[in-house]
Amino acid sequence: IAGITQAPTSQILAAGRRMTLRCTQDMRHNAMYWYRQDLGLGLRLIHYSNTAGTTGKGEVPDGYSVSRANTDDFPLTLASAVPSQTSVYFCASSPGGIRSNEQFFGPGTRLTVL
Amino acid sequence: AQRVTQPEKLLSVFKGAPVELKCNYSYSGSPELFWYVQYSRQRLQLLLRHISRESIKGFTADLNKGETSFHLKKPFAQEEDSAMYYCAPPRYNFNKFYFGSGTKLNVKP
Repeated sequence: IAGITQAPTSQILAAGRRMTLRCTQDMRHNAMYWYRQDLGLGLRLIHYSNTAGTTGKGEVPDGYSVSRANTDDFPLTLASAVPSQTSVYFCASSPGGIRSNEQFFGPGTRLTVL
Repeated sequence: AQRVTQPEKLLSVFKGAPVELKCNYSYSGSPELFWYVQYSRQRLQLLLRHISRESIKGFTADLNKGETSFHLKKPFAQEEDSAMYYCAPPRYNFNKFYFGSGTKLNVKP
């Protein structure tokens, strides 16, 4: 693994189903983030984690949950997907902790909820 | 909340023309601003940060505290510059962090 990886690359999901998007980084970065990218709205922060064991809510957290059991992994879970969660999801990490703005992004997961 | 504004959703220019992507910020203090770029179907990547005063791929960005702006400029646009560009503020407060909404640059041949 080099950098940040996300899985799956894309997914079509029926409304009401549970889905976990995976994110793994091998750079030993403390901070990690989940964004959704929507046309005309740019990037919006869903959840973040300053370090393993801690998480926080971003700008649009409703309908999503995260966990940070270790430094490398930061999965995003949709407990019961709805069509408005159709989006491209990007995971990112930051080397300098919460005050560093340089973020490294994963390739994204394109999610369609029908 | 610390906010940046990118007023243009789409900017189209011809190859060889100058390009300026606008970014304005609305907070006090010493801003540390960044530009990220996302080429088609690729991940976002850091383009440049103002504190280093660097020029990447011919792009520069000058912080103007009087106008609270951090516009991205390039004197001669190339077709390969076509991408989404995001202006980003510093991350002093996570849950109030806002990227700009992005500007799609289209460089026509």
